[in-house]
Amino acid sequence: DTGVSQDPRHKITKRGQNVTFRCDPISEHNRLYWYRQTLGQGPEFLTYFQNEAQLEKSRLLSDRFSAERPKGSFSTLEIQRTEQGDSAMYLCASSLEANTGELFFGEGSRLTVL
Amino acid sequence: AQSVSQHNHHVILSEAASLELGCNYSYGGTVNLFWYVQYPGQHLQLLLKYFSGDPLVKGIKGFEAEFIKSKFSFNLRKPSVQWSDTAEYFCAVRGSQGNLIFGKGTKLSVKP
Repeated sequence: DTGVSQDPRHKITKRGQNVTFRCDPISEHNRLYWYRQTLGQGPEFLTYFQNEAQLEKSRLLSDRFSAERPKGSFSTLEIQRTEQGDSAMYLCASSLEANTGELFFGEGSRLTVL
Repeated sequence: AQSVSQHNHHVILSEAASLELGCNYSYGGTVNLFWYVQYPGQHLQLLLKYFSGDPLVKGIKGFEAEFIKSKFSFNLRKPSVQWSDTAEYFCAVRGSQGNLIFGKGTKLSVKP
């Protein structure tokens, strides 16, 4: 499968623990986006990268959230000191820089905080 | 800021019924508009998109959408739905950073 892949697909953790999600975009795509989706809502934009540069991070939900894309390929999203309100599906998407705006999504990483 | 409104939270139809899902966006300038679909247990997939030109856009699986600039609308239509169309449908507008801004989604249930 040459689509966007995310790992793990499901994560259950206790409140206060740190979690990290990984996203592998489509190989030739240099833009990578992170979204959060909660029940009954559409995906909510968090941050994005163009190659290794993080060009928008003001939408990250708090300073407990951080993302990296160190070599311009895969990306990680880390949540520190998780809270029950962080329970959600975390989606990754990628696109070509100059394309016509279509984003290709992964299947998401579902986080449950107990 | 740009935003998208989807009017219906949950739509229930019988097979062969016609479908129209409403979507309104807030931005008055040049817009790029999208409909994505999420089948149960699957990732979001693009149904169709509008950038310019013919306001009637045809997508995959018999779906189409009409861009009406005067109404800030981009409604999704299908003349005859099938059970396999059961899914959640999201309207989105492209943001200034290339990201997509999504509506809350409409869950479609098609009864066989």
